[in-house]
Amino acid sequence: AQSVAQPEDQVNVAEGNPLTVKCTYSVSGNPYLFWYVQYPNRGLQFLLKYITGDNLVKGSYGFEAEFNKSQTSFHLKKPSALVSDSALYFCAVRDSGNTPLVFGKGTRLSVIA
Amino acid sequence: KAGVTQTPRYLIKTRGQQVTLSCSPISGHRSVSWYQQTPGQGLQFLFEYFSETQRNKGNFPGRFSGRQFSNSRSEMNVSTLELGDSALYLCASSLMGQGSGANVLTFGAGSRLTVL
Repeated sequence: AQSVAQPEDQVNVAEGNPLTVKCTYSVSGNPYLFWYVQYPNRGLQFLLKYITGDNLVKGSYGFEAEFNKSQTSFHLKKPSALVSDSALYFCAVRDSGNTPLVFGKGTRLSVIA
Repeated sequence: KAGVTQTPRYLIKTRGQQVTLSCSPISGHRSVSWYQQTPGQGLQFLFEYFSETQRNKGNFPGRFSGRQFSNSRSEMNVSTLELGDSALYLCASSLMGQGSGANVLTFGAGSRLTVL
């Protein structure tokens, strides 16, 4: 069965600094990997996905993620953080079959002005 | 294009009651998934439906059930409510296939259930 781990419950970063939110995964086949963001009292919004192709994936709001097969990781990054990036971030994985999308427990990002 | 619509947005029930939550997917999306979100457990998968058939089911007791109608709208039902069922219930729809939008879940705003 697939699983995903987000090792940090909370990440704090100063505005203008680069940010990284970590994610590692486990699947039996080829992974489909996703990042979602949740703002207070809202549903989840899609940021980016990796299905196949380039290991560096670019998504919404200047975010990007790097797929690393050997380390089974899919860390979310942004070169310069904004206060408005403060939210709850979820990594998710499914394999290439008809399996459900499984989410990590989420990482709360706080960007401090 | 209308997004995923969930009703009701908020509801309060007492232990032992039952509840039905509704989800209308994005037009053209035939796959609907349900998740339970709680502060301690994150998002836990409940069900996935495609063309009125349940494709996947999460590890929840039989009190949790769902269905999908021919117009792709979906409902989930929780019977004999327990305090621990208090959560945000999220519905998401998606396209199936190989296109760029395939496999991407679009979420509704959720139904927040409080069990007293």
